[in-house]
Amino acid sequence: DVVMTQSPLSLPVTLGQPASISCRSSHSLVFSDGNTYLNWFQQRPGQSPRRLIYKVSNRDFGVPDRFSGSGSGADFTLKISRVEAEDVAVYYCMQGTHWPWTFGQGTKVDIQ
Amino acid sequence: QVQLVESGGGVVQPGGSLRLSCAASGFTFRSYLMHWVRQAPGKGLESLAVIYFNENERYYADSVKGRFSISRDNAKDTLYLQMNNLEVEDTAVYYCARDPGGTYDYWGQGTLVTVSS
Repeated sequence: DVVMTQSPLSLPVTLGQPASISCRSSHSLVFSDGNTYLNWFQQRPGQSPRRLIYKVSNRDFGVPDRFSGSGSGADFTLKISRVEAEDVAVYYCMQGTHWPWTFGQGTKVDIQ
Repeated sequence: QVQLVESGGGVVQPGGSLRLSCAASGFTFRSYLMHWVRQAPGKGLESLAVIYFNENERYYADSVKGRFSISRDNAKDTLYLQMNNLEVEDTAVYYCARDPGGTYDYWGQGTLVTVSS
């Protein structure tokens, strides 16, 4: 299985400051159709996961533009330009290129 | 609007069986691959099974292969997960999720399965 490794696993941030989460995969995530199926999900306490980013850098409708995704091949990053209180959550990267699809361990973002 | 509503969770003894359902609405169910994903208490997310449009292809994670079976009824817009020979380690919230291609764009609210004697 493809191993997804996130860092850091815990990220205390100051309101209004930027945050960055790294996600590395054990295999290239480029699919045979040329797409890279790397996704980012946000899971607030007590809620289902919510997709933020798909295919590396495409933001979902309704996701604030302070969230951005970047990367290629096997190395990816989620950035929050200015953290707000509502961003307190666990963030997961997930690859949808190789079955079984696999998630990173999750990064807990909270306010310090 | 797209809605996925899981049901069927509960408490079951080790070795027991349970069948989960996921009722879909707000989209053309038969046009999408569908998945089951679970999350053990306080843990991360694990993709378990995927089913193609007409049940012609189904794939499973090794952790559930041979014990769990995914199916769908396109006439009823419903996804199922038959879980047999349940183990304590199967205790988790089980989500169904829609797959438009390489991603999960919608998730249900989840249903809790507890395996305990």
